[in-house]
Amino acid sequence: GQSLEQPSEVTAVEGAIVQINCTYQTSGFYGLSWYQQHDGGAPTFLSYNALDGLEETGRFSSFLSRSDSYGYLLLQELQMKDSASYFCAVPGGYQKVTFGTGTKLQVIP
Amino acid sequence: DVKVTQSSRYLVKRTGEKVFLECVQDMDHENMFWYRQDPGLGLRLIYFSYDVKMKEKGDIPEGYSVSREKKERFSLILESASTNQTSMYLCASSTTAAISHFGNGTRLTVT
Repeated sequence: GQSLEQPSEVTAVEGAIVQINCTYQTSGFYGLSWYQQHDGGAPTFLSYNALDGLEETGRFSSFLSRSDSYGYLLLQELQMKDSASYFCAVPGGYQKVTFGTGTKLQVIP
Repeated sequence: DVKVTQSSRYLVKRTGEKVFLECVQDMDHENMFWYRQDPGLGLRLIYFSYDVKMKEKGDIPEGYSVSREKKERFSLILESASTNQTSMYLCASSTTAAISHFGNGTRLTVT
């Protein structure tokens, strides 16, 4: 089976940097993806890492270490609009995708 | 703009009713998914499909069935709705290992 662990809540200050961690257990690994979901909205795709290392997309970066079964999402220059829930997810066999329980990020002034 | 469209944003049904949740995508994606989302539990996979007429059980398939007669349409069926199926239901699609698009969700209340 597949399971993922991420912190339930994180609070950070506007303008700062925050890291949201995700550890996973999966029988076959294909990659780690990240999603953002604002209250009342649908999840939106942020990034996908299939290989080790850091992928940067603007203020957001995502890191993967397959040997440690670990990844993180890094948000820089935090803005109030970044307050949302963030989910990590892993695909499995037949493209089945399992999500973590989500991290609620609160950005404070 | 490409999209995944769910037929209803809000739905109220009575216990025991048969409920159909419809989802259509216009991106020619092979893979489609149904999740339910509950506070503190994240997104839990109910069923998914990797091809027309193909379906696979997710983590919580009990009480649900699905239909995929055409590539663009994936329907979730609650055979006999129960109050513990009150939830937000999200449809999604992908062509790769990562889900790229979600619908806006259907908030179902079963009374």
